[in-house]
Amino acid sequence: DADVTQTPRNRITKTGKRIMLECSQTKGHDRMYWYRQDPGLGLRLIYYSFDVKDINKGEISDGYSVSRQAQAKFSLSLESAIPNQTALYFCATSDPDRAEQFFGPGTRLTVL
Amino acid sequence: QQQVKQSPQSLIVQKGGIPIINCAYENTAFDYFPWYQQFPGKGPALLIAIRPDVSEKKEGRFTISFNKSAKQFSLHIMDSQPGDSATYFCAAARSGSARQLTFGSGTQLTVLP
Repeated sequence: DADVTQTPRNRITKTGKRIMLECSQTKGHDRMYWYRQDPGLGLRLIYYSFDVKDINKGEISDGYSVSRQAQAKFSLSLESAIPNQTALYFCATSDPDRAEQFFGPGTRLTVL
Repeated sequence: QQQVKQSPQSLIVQKGGIPIINCAYENTAFDYFPWYQQFPGKGPALLIAIRPDVSEKKEGRFTISFNKSAKQFSLHIMDSQPGDSATYFCAAARSGSARQLTFGSGTQLTVLP
C-alpha cells in the first residue's frame, strides 16, 4: 500500500482550464509539500504546509494555489492552466523531527 | 538562481563501473546533503545523506564524499549494476523549522549490462 498517493496520475487539459491535483498520505506526517519536476531543472518547490493552518509559498508559487483540507490531504490547484505549467508534479511528506521527505508517484500534467 | 549545481546531466557506464555524480552548493548555511534516487514512473526516494561534520559516508555500494571547504559533494556507486539505472538528484537543506530541500538538476544514469 502506497503511503503517499496522488490523483490523477495523468491529466491532459487545455489552456485556461482550472485543474486540481490531489495528494493523500497515511504516514501521519504533519508536513506536506508540492514540487514540480522539469527536465534539466530538477525539482522545484511550489508550496509547503507544516500543519493544517500553516501554508507557505515556495520558490515558484505564481499561478498555483493550495488547500490543506486535513492533516492527510493537500491539494494543488492551477486556477487557469497555461502550457508552461506542463510538468511532472510531486507531493511529498515529512516528519518535523526528520529531514527525509517521502514522495508520491507523481502526476503528469499536460496543458495544451 | 541555482543554489545547487549538479553534473553531469547524463552518464552511461558499463556494469561494474564506478559512476560519479558531482554537486556544488553556494549557501554555506546548508548542513544536510541528501541524494535521492528516482526510477521511471516513480517519485524520488532517499538513497543516502550526509552532514558536514564527516567527509565520507558509505551505505552498501553507495558513498557520499563531502568537501566542506570546496562546497562540493559527490555520489559514487561502486560495482554499478543495470538496476542502478535511474535519475539521481542531489539536494541541500539547512537546519531549522523549514528544512526546505533545494535540489540539483538531476543526473540520468544508465548502467549497461
